[in-house]
Formats: sequence, C-alpha cells, structure tokens
Amino acid sequence: DAGVTQSPTHLIKTRGQQVTLRCSPKSGHDTVSWYQQALGQGPQFIFQYYEEEERQRGNFPDRFSGHQFPNYSSELNVNALLLGDSALYLCASSHEFGLVYEQYFGPGTRLTVT
Amino acid sequence: GDSVTQMEGPVTLSEEAFLTINCTYTATGYPSLFWYVQYPGEGLQLLLKATKADDKGSNKGFEATYRKETTSFHLEKGSVQVSDSAVYFCALLYGGATNKLIFGTGTLLAVQP
Repeated sequence: DAGVTQSPTHLIKTRGQQVTLRCSPKSGHDTVSWYQQALGQGPQFIFQYYEEEERQRGNFPDRFSGHQFPNYSSELNVNALLLGDSALYLCASSHEFGLVYEQYFGPGTRLTVT
Repeated sequence: GDSVTQMEGPVTLSEEAFLTINCTYTATGYPSLFWYVQYPGEGLQLLLKATKADDKGSNKGFEATYRKETTSFHLEKGSVQVSDSAVYFCALLYGGATNKLIFGTGTLLAVQP
C-alpha cells in the first residue's frame, strides 16, 4: 500500500517565478491538506481540498493556490515567488470519515527561492 | 486562537535516559492531540494520538496522556535510544469542517551513545 507521495523532491526557483508541487494521497484517502514548514519551525496549514474544492484555508496570500483532481491527487501552485517562500512543503492525506481524521504526511518538497 | 507550545530544544540525553518533552495547548473546544516525529530529511510520521481527556496514547515505548485540567500532552519514554534522535512535534486537531493540524514549533532530541 503506497503512502503519500510528493514530487519533485527538491526544487530551486528564482524570485518572481511560479512553481507547481504535486501530491498523491495514500490509497483510500480523499482529502488532501498542504502545509508549509519553514526551517526550524512547525508546519503551518496552507489549505485543504476535499471533493475537488478548497474547503478551508490558512493565513496565506492568494499567491498560493491549489487544485484537486478526480483521482484525489492535488497540486499546490505558488505565483510570484518570494525569498520567504523557501521552505519544506508537506502534503498530508486523510479520509473524510476516517478515525480521528488522522493525517498521513508525504516526504515533502524542498523549495529554495534565490 | 488555538495554539500549541512546546519546550524549547535541543534536548540532549544519553542512551537509556528518561525522556520528557513538555507540550501545552490552548483550545476553544475539545481537540484531538498528536505527537509527530520528523527524522532528518524526511516528512512527518504520526507517533501517537489521544482523542479525549484522560486518554493515553502510546507507540514504540513513547507515551502521552491527554490532561484537560492542565491542558497538557507531555511526551515520555522510559529509555531512549540513539535512533530516537529526531524533531518531535506536538499538534492539535479538530475534526469536521475544521480538519486542520495546529503544530508547536518542535523539539529537537539528540541522544548520545
């Protein structure tokens, strides 16, 4: 049973560019959440997708957007990259009606903005 | 708003020592509580959880008890190993429409042989 997968593993972009990160949820999961983890900090919630719609959003600007596909996989897009967007981006999947809404995390994508 | 506060690290211990990592929370409702572990260069792994007051979560020798009266969820292990070296995150989560994790800042544990 494959767990949560993310791609790419690492990414280097220049300020002002746009980036797309991808996530495939654990088998049987239908909900995907994205988190940003800055160096030395705990993950911060960006947004969550369920049934191909953004269900809730954290305190992140509109430059951060996402999408969920019919197969439950998801993308995170960040436009007009800033140096401060450099972080580990984590995807977590869960089942809407699962036990205690346990979230399973992928290995993350390390984004470096220069 | 809801928040989680963890003791600052790093915590440095010798192998077989007793571990405590303190975690307290502020919540408007009755969240579930979690401990996640992050090994170097990896994502987060769920270590243990507790869903209501007085529940004890346990896994791999680690334990934590959901204390509503002190709003705490301290992580303990009786005898740590070098392989336990990692960053530990305490987190809370409400189910339903507010299904998002709120994390503490993490505590780095370094276990020396």
